[in-house]
Amino acid sequence: DAGVTQSPTHLIKTRGQQVTLRCSPKSGHDTVSWYQQALGQGPQFIFQYYEEEERQRGNFPDRFSGHQFPNYSSELNVNALLLGDSALYLCASSRNTGELFFGEGSRLTVL
Amino acid sequence: AQSVTQPDIHITVSEGASLELRCNYSYGATPYLFWYVQSPGQGLQLLLKYFSGDTLVQGIKGFEAEFKRSQSSFNLRKPSVHWSDAAEYFCAVVNSGSARQLTFGSGTQLTVLP
Repeated sequence: DAGVTQSPTHLIKTRGQQVTLRCSPKSGHDTVSWYQQALGQGPQFIFQYYEEEERQRGNFPDRFSGHQFPNYSSELNVNALLLGDSALYLCASSRNTGELFFGEGSRLTVL
Repeated sequence: AQSVTQPDIHITVSEGASLELRCNYSYGATPYLFWYVQSPGQGLQLLLKYFSGDTLVQGIKGFEAEFKRSQSSFNLRKPSVHWSDAAEYFCAVVNSGSARQLTFGSGTQLTVLP
């Protein structure tokens, strides 16, 4: 049984560019949450998707957007990248509000 | 809004020694509390959780945590540390909203000396 898978694992972008990160949830899970973990910090909640809708959003600007597909996989999009967007982006899946299972993350570096 | 404080940024212990990692939370209602571990280049793994009931919670890998409402604390303990326990540890509290989002502390980095 595959766990939560994320792609790409590492990527480098320049300021002003756009990035898309992808997440496939654990089998049987219908909810995907995204977290941003800056270096030396704990993860911060970006948003959560359930039934293809954004159910809740953390304190992140509109440059951060997402999508959930009918197969429950999800994308995180970040527009107009800033240096401060450099971080590990973690995806977590769950069965609705059940226990979260985290992927290994996508490491984004913005130059 | 809820918050979590982990006062110790870095802790070093010798293999075989006991361990206690501190966590203090701020939350208006009865909290749901978690401890996660993150090894280098890895995602987060759940060690244990507290929802209600017995205030001493047992987790995986020999870890336990005690919920103390009077001190707003949820400290993580292990009686004998192994070299493989070296990692970063995060305490977290979940909100009561529909999304059950986690609020994490800033983490404690554990180094284990041989």
